[in-house]
Amino acid sequence: DAKTTQPPSMDCAEGRAANLPCNHSTISGNEYVYWYRQIHSQGPQYIIHGLKNNETNEMASLIITEDRKSSTLILPHATLRDTAVYYCIVHSGSARQLTFGSGTQLTVLP
Amino acid sequence: GAVVSQHPSWVICKSGTSVKIECRSLDFQATTMFWYRQFPKQSLMLMATSNEGSKATYEQGVEKDKFLINHASLTLSTLTVTSAHPEDSSFYICSASKGRRGEKLFFGSGTQLSVL
Repeated sequence: DAKTTQPPSMDCAEGRAANLPCNHSTISGNEYVYWYRQIHSQGPQYIIHGLKNNETNEMASLIITEDRKSSTLILPHATLRDTAVYYCIVHSGSARQLTFGSGTQLTVLP
Repeated sequence: GAVVSQHPSWVICKSGTSVKIECRSLDFQATTMFWYRQFPKQSLMLMATSNEGSKATYEQGVEKDKFLINHASLTLSTLTVTSAHPEDSSFYICSASKGRRGEKLFFGSGTQLSVL
């Protein structure tokens, strides 16, 4: 699976949009981009995934660049409960290959 | 969304005893479940893949005789930490895959194991 690079930490003001970047320059054509988040002492939570088109659901939006070498997860109106470690993962679909990197610690500030 | 229940959420045990952790998919059938371990301030590390009706597949460096996995039904997988020692203290998390290609993972809430 392709490796991902994320900033170790980010802050965001409550109510503002949180934009979390992820680089995956070695992504291959059949690999999807997945985002999960983990609130302290809980299991990870699925957020969103995409292949090459931008995606939106009730939790977030996923913007994937045209060359697919990077993506951005957008939380449109961050709340204090969005404070968590966010993991960007790329893989081809076999869940066994899901590898968690170090993620980005997002802290939403009041 | 799909629900994966993990029990217990925390357990304290004496060194040398065995501890069993259960992982259930509540509203879907999961032919494959996964077990992860997470140390403080570190990311999740895949330990093993649990396959219903067959032997689990362990990642390199994970002792299969120490971490016994049983996946006897489509909704239940168990991880037993045998002869636990203090270095086995960790946060253990299970997950089950759901989706047309089985790619979307849903996670349990985790089990914090403390071995005294």
